[in-house]
Amino acid sequence: DSGVTQTPKHLITATGQRVTLRCSPRSGDLSVYWYQQSLDQGLQFLIQYYNGEERAKGNILERFSAQQFPDLHSELNLSSLELGDSALYFCASSDEKTGGYEQYFGPGTRLTVT
Amino acid sequence: SQQGEEDPQALSIQEGENATMNCSYKTSINNLQWYRQNSGRGLVHLILIRSNEREKHSGRLRVTLDTSKKSSSLLITASRAADTASYFCATAKAAGNKLTFGGGTRVLVKP
Repeated sequence: DSGVTQTPKHLITATGQRVTLRCSPRSGDLSVYWYQQSLDQGLQFLIQYYNGEERAKGNILERFSAQQFPDLHSELNLSSLELGDSALYFCASSDEKTGGYEQYFGPGTRLTVT
Repeated sequence: SQQGEEDPQALSIQEGENATMNCSYKTSINNLQWYRQNSGRGLVHLILIRSNEREKHSGRLRVTLDTSKKSSSLLITASRAADTASYFCATAKAAGNKLTFGGGTRVLVKP
């Protein structure tokens, strides 16, 4: 158990809908990262937040947005969903006070868009 | 886009044998990490090697890094059926930066 929690575990929704994925980092970790894993694209970095502020952006679509709240949990919002958005979405956290290198991953949310 | 390639894409070995997989990357890095993923589950951090290190050990794992060739290898010694998983290398340009993953190596350890 990495200490990172994600909800829900599974999500099935229809095209055009909007969903919110939630992540709670390990206690004390200030950085949260979101990654998408799909068969065709592999593991791709989406976005990073550090202590409530956006720090880095990767291959994140404009239909997707994220935020990190004062209690450090983060949410990834996916809207106008398309079939191609079906994937595993992971969040990870790291502790930069002790180096900030290793990232600890949550169990993921499997999104299926039908 | 992914940072690099992993080789082989798949590996099948008998329990007790060693498993070696390689990772190549394209740009300069601060560190390289290896992760394990069991069938569609979360990634588990295995080991990190910094760019100024050449070799690192952790239990049955041995990682090497050759920055001149932009490549790394992961050796799992005396493999067990429980080692069956996908293994990914990931690079970071600095601490606290995003990870860029390779395509992964699927390892099957047969009892």
